[in-house]
Amino acid sequence: EAGVTQFPSHSVIEKGQTVTLRCDPISGHDNLYWYRRVMGKEIKFLLHFVKESKQDESGMPNNRFLAERTGGTYSTLKVQPAELEDSGVYFCASSQDTGSQYFGPGTRLLVL
Amino acid sequence: AQSVTQPDIHITVSEGASLELRCNYSYGATPYLFWYVQSPGQGLQLLLKYFSGDTLVQGIKGFEAEFKRSQSSFNLRKPSVHWSDAAEYFCAVGGWSTASKLTFGTGTRLQVTL
Repeated sequence: EAGVTQFPSHSVIEKGQTVTLRCDPISGHDNLYWYRRVMGKEIKFLLHFVKESKQDESGMPNNRFLAERTGGTYSTLKVQPAELEDSGVYFCASSQDTGSQYFGPGTRLLVL
Repeated sequence: AQSVTQPDIHITVSEGASLELRCNYSYGATPYLFWYVQSPGQGLQLLLKYFSGDTLVQGIKGFEAEFKRSQSSFNLRKPSVHWSDAAEYFCAVGGWSTASKLTFGTGTRLQVTL
């Protein structure tokens, strides 16, 4: 069974540009989460989807971040326009209702 | 609000020595607790979890952790460390349901000397 996959693995963009991160959860997992780790800090929750609905988006830093999960399958996280402080590693995780969260390898974003 | 403290930022142990990584949490009810490991260039891998029941939980790769409610701790242990255990370890606490968001500690980086 395939794990959680994320694309791209790395992205380097300039301040003001747009970047879209993609996450494909484990098949059959209704719960999908986005987390972020800024260098030297802890991993922080961004938001949680249950199927296509946003269950909890309390961790989204501001309205430059837009997350979608079309059809309850894969999810995208768009940052527009990107700022320097958005640099970090973005993790996606998925889970079943009774299970643990399984994480993808992360996308390393660098905003110059 | 829930929080997790991992007091040791960096630990170095010799191969074959025992290991204990500390984790303290703050949460108003019985928490769901997790340990994850991130090896260089890899994503986060679940080592073990505590939901309820026996307070000593066994995980993968020979790791175990003990939940101590009186100390609000969930320390990770391994009796004999291997060089391949060098990685960053994260303790996390979940919320009111098994599907709730996780709150992570800042991580402990483990270095293993030969």
